[in-house]
Amino acid sequence: AQSVTQLGSHVSVSEGALVLLRCNYSSSVPPYLFWYVQYPNQGLQLLLKYTTGATLVKGINGFEAEFKKSETSFHLTKPSAHMSDAAEYFCAVRTNSGYSTLTFGKGTMLLVSP
Amino acid sequence: GAVVSQHPSRVICKSGTSVKIECRSLDFQATTMFWYRQFPKKSLMLMATSNEGSKATYEQGVEKDKFLINHASLTLSTLTVTSAHPEDSSFYICSAKGQGQETQYFGPGTRLLVL
Repeated sequence: AQSVTQLGSHVSVSEGALVLLRCNYSSSVPPYLFWYVQYPNQGLQLLLKYTTGATLVKGINGFEAEFKKSETSFHLTKPSAHMSDAAEYFCAVRTNSGYSTLTFGKGTMLLVSP
Repeated sequence: GAVVSQHPSRVICKSGTSVKIECRSLDFQATTMFWYRQFPKKSLMLMATSNEGSKATYEQGVEKDKFLINHASLTLSTLTVTSAHPEDSSFYICSAKGQGQETQYFGPGTRLLVL
């Protein structure tokens, strides 16, 4: 079975500050890892994903994440927050088997203040 | 590319009626579609997974007779909430994945309110 833990239901940063959203996973097989963003009353938009290869992956809107197997982590970062980054962020894991279902973390709400 | 649409975006219905939600992949063939339910301030809960032409596989605790899923073509899946009750009010989101793809692409969601 796989699971995802997102530390902190809310993270507050000032505009221009570093964004760090934490995600730890557990999986019995090599995982595929994803970060999605959800704006109010909208569906999920893929930010970035890790499947194989380079462990530092870059996504849209200046976000990036690094897969660290030894720490079972896939933290999301952005050097400088924008007001438009305020949204809910979900980390998800899936295995390359079966129907390839995603298991989501509980989400982290990013709040950006001026 | 990889756009998924849902219709309707919002629906209000009376208790006891049935509501159908459509999920379409607009620019790719979705061999697998997923239906999720999201409660306020909560994560997404997978309800069921469907492969085109096959019966859906429901997650534990999801009533298959209440949430009917049809995936009749490679671009369309429908979720019908039968005899809806107020507790079925929620945000329903579909996603779709093509053959061999690692990524699920999500629709914009459907807000259901049952009065």
